[in-house]
Amino acid sequence: RKEVEQDPGPFNVPEGATVAFNCTYSNSASQSFFWYRQDCRKEPKLLMSVYSSGNEDGRFTAQLNRASQYISLLIRDSKLSDSATYLCVVPYNFNKFYFGSGTKLNVKP
Amino acid sequence: DGGITQSPKYLFRKEGQNVTLSCEQNLNHDAMYWYRQDPGQGLRLIYYSQIVNDFQKGDIAEGYSVSREKKESFPLTVTSAQKNPTAFYLCASSIARLDNSPLHFGNGTRLTVT
Repeated sequence: RKEVEQDPGPFNVPEGATVAFNCTYSNSASQSFFWYRQDCRKEPKLLMSVYSSGNEDGRFTAQLNRASQYISLLIRDSKLSDSATYLCVVPYNFNKFYFGSGTKLNVKP
Repeated sequence: DGGITQSPKYLFRKEGQNVTLSCEQNLNHDAMYWYRQDPGQGLRLIYYSQIVNDFQKGDIAEGYSVSREKKESFPLTVTSAQKNPTAFYLCASSIARLDNSPLHFGNGTRLTVT
């Protein structure tokens, strides 16, 4: 089993839709989690950090379910500019981070 | 502004040549990392360093070498022993010894070896 697993998608949604991605992780000791956004041929950029049950920032909500070992990312009122690949990142210890392979989102007009 | 600078953005080399990718950060971060990303795939860890003059192999270190002589700098050398060097290389840094500290990435170097 991979340390971090994501549905690769693509998720094709119309503008204004609500879309959610899940990310499962195997290390039950992990205390913090991160969602990154990566545009085509660019570096990943930090979108949200999740340290407890969840986090909300505008149209974006991240939730953590420790019992089932997954985190989710919810995007409300999708914009064309939200089209990107979303990476789930789980620290393994202070020095190592495990990356999911990413979930691709396409927001259509 | 603080950040991580990778250079060059694009690099072209002939097979059999060693090449060094630069990574400099002014975030005062202790830990630095090198990742490789291939098309349609996730990031894979090549090397990481928690402190000056110390570094550890990641999951795919074969054919690569690094040095950490200064806190700000963590150059990566892709040697001729690396079988498939063409890839997108990303340098990152974080505050070491804080489990809730995220990674900060440079803008990457795209290496093409022919």
